[in-house]
Amino acid sequence: QQQVKQSPQSLIVQKGGISIINCAYENTAFDYFPWYQQFPGKGPALLIAIRPDVSEKKEGRFTISFNKSAKQFSLHIMDSQPGDSATYFCAAGLAGTASKLTFGTGTRLQVTL
Amino acid sequence: DSGVTQTPKHLITATGQRVTLRCSPRSGDLSVYWYQQSLDQGLQFLIQYYNGEERAKGNILERFSAQQFPDLHSELNLSSLELGDSALYFCASSVGAYGSSGYTFGSGTRLTVV
Repeated sequence: QQQVKQSPQSLIVQKGGISIINCAYENTAFDYFPWYQQFPGKGPALLIAIRPDVSEKKEGRFTISFNKSAKQFSLHIMDSQPGDSATYFCAAGLAGTASKLTFGTGTRLQVTL
Repeated sequence: DSGVTQTPKHLITATGQRVTLRCSPRSGDLSVYWYQQSLDQGLQFLIQYYNGEERAKGNILERFSAQQFPDLHSELNLSSLELGDSALYFCASSVGAYGSSGYTFGSGTRLTVV
């Protein structure tokens, strides 16, 4: 019940296109949904996060869409750039506990010229 | 620089050996989390400490142990190493016990067991 399923495993998008990564969770108690970006040789870095009281959050070219009834959330990268090429992890957490984040398996994004 | 320092960056050791990975959290952060990242399993939560006390345990093997010291740095001890323990080990920190405000990750320690 703690699993977070992420898809696709890899994604190739042309420069200027929209990258979409999807995640689904099982535990309805989860109430914090961050996305992390990881470049080779580096640790994951927090990109954007959402709580279930809103359906969408936008920060620059990055948008999280959240569907509570479907237990799904997604990351949209608008106007994708080669510098966005990285591995993206979704995660889910339980606030109000000694909370660790449960991560998806990651999506390797490649943005081509 | 994220502010979370992990040492060493790389470690190569033989099967059966024991190693210690070290993590210094970001200044002001009281919680430390350890994650294992392997190619086929993503980021697997191992253990969390908050202000010196163990707060949450994940899929951590009995051969592995950790602790957080009074200065808040943490060490992950891996013993009786097996080939399958080869992975990237990340430490992350957060301000409070409730990690839902987000973590800051270190750059990781790449462990290779030969």
